[in-house]
Amino acid sequence: GAVVSQHPSWVICKSGTSVKIECRSLDFQATTMFWYRQFPKQSLMLMATSNEGSKATYEQGVEKDKFLINHASLTLSTLTVTSAHPEDSSFYICSARVGGPNTEAFFGQGTRLTVV
Amino acid sequence: AQSVTQLGSHVSVSEGALVLLRCNYSSSVPPYLFWYVQYPNQGLQLLLKYTSAATLVKGINGFEAEFKKSETSFHLTKPSAHMSDAAEYFCAVSEQGAQKLVFGQGTRLTINP
Repeated sequence: GAVVSQHPSWVICKSGTSVKIECRSLDFQATTMFWYRQFPKQSLMLMATSNEGSKATYEQGVEKDKFLINHASLTLSTLTVTSAHPEDSSFYICSARVGGPNTEAFFGQGTRLTVV
Repeated sequence: AQSVTQLGSHVSVSEGALVLLRCNYSSSVPPYLFWYVQYPNQGLQLLLKYTSAATLVKGINGFEAEFKKSETSFHLTKPSAHMSDAAEYFCAVSEQGAQKLVFGQGTRLTINP
């Protein structure tokens, strides 16, 4: 199947700094990518839909100025957590689909962010 | 908007026993339904999907699920549990015409020796 790669797999940062997470589709082009957040022992919460060449669509309650998404090419989307605080510590996962809503979504391995 | 509910955040079965993980969706139009598995510290892997073809769907690792429109359900089953099946299982739904995938709360499956 298709491969989605996330980097870094884990990161520790100081409170107040910004952190960038990359999501790449390695063997296919993804016009749309998705960013999820997962708290320990909980489900994946969709944060936003990243659209190549246009603004991301954020889910209700997600601060777009806090979580900046850029989808500059058909194989790369980035999520930047700005002015990170300890409550932003979480597992962030990206995914992409090769086709429409009836097709499999492929997931990155996730990024564990710890803000100290 | 569609939603999906997984009944039971934690299911524990004995090795060799039947596995049944429940999933119900709420949508006026039957959506596309998926089951994903997540092993510790790993990404999600597709087990199977329903896309309006056969209502009984067979997936990997011996899992299968049956779409029941009358019950708005898509429960996941496996006849005989293996220790390696211990993981977190997520039911997910996409509406027709919508790209985003919405997940249920997840069910942690524990296998007892």
